[in-house]
Amino acid sequence: GAVVSQHPSWVICKSGTSVKIECRSLDFQATTMFWYRQFPKQSLMLMATSNEGSKATYEQGVEKDKFLINHASLTLSTLTVTSAHPEDSSFYICSAGGNGGASFDDEQFFGPGTRLTVL
Amino acid sequence: GNSVTQMEGPVTLSEEAFLTINCTYTATGYPSLFWYVQYPGEGLQLLLKATKADDKGSNKGFEATYRKETTSFHLEKGSVQVSDSAVYFCALSRTGFQKLVFGTGTRLLVSP
Repeated sequence: GAVVSQHPSWVICKSGTSVKIECRSLDFQATTMFWYRQFPKQSLMLMATSNEGSKATYEQGVEKDKFLINHASLTLSTLTVTSAHPEDSSFYICSAGGNGGASFDDEQFFGPGTRLTVL
Repeated sequence: GNSVTQMEGPVTLSEEAFLTINCTYTATGYPSLFWYVQYPGEGLQLLLKATKADDKGSNKGFEATYRKETTSFHLEKGSVQVSDSAVYFCALSRTGFQKLVFGTGTRLLVSP
């Protein structure tokens, strides 16, 4: 299958700072990428759908000003957690569709995740 | 709303034992159902899927049958190996692979 990478794999930051997480599709182009958040012993929760060249679509209850998503190219989407607080500590996972990512049959390929700890 | 419930882990088995990981779902209409596996340090990988009632998905010796009457999609394998140790996620979607709704994941530990 196709490969999706995330960077960094883990990050620790101070409360009030901003953190950027990168998601890259290494050997294919993805028009659409997805960002998920996972709390310990809980499900992956979809946060937003990232669309190349346009604004992201956020799920209900996700603060778009808090979690800034930029999809500047067909192989890169970034998630910036702004003014991070301890409650933002979590595991963030991205996925990208193998054939652009937006159609019904586009299998999603997942990155290994980024663990964010806010002190 | 749509949701997935799967058994809590960890599930601990000896090599060559039979595996069942239960998964039930709540959804409107007829969702597609999936099992994903996550090995340590890696991203989730699609293990198998089923798109309609009575479909059986299978891959690498694992299989699951879409049971509409019991709203279940239990994962089974006849003889597990140490290399099967991983976290398994059951998921559903009303839109193919888009907007997946995941269960909490079940960790499987297989000892030699």
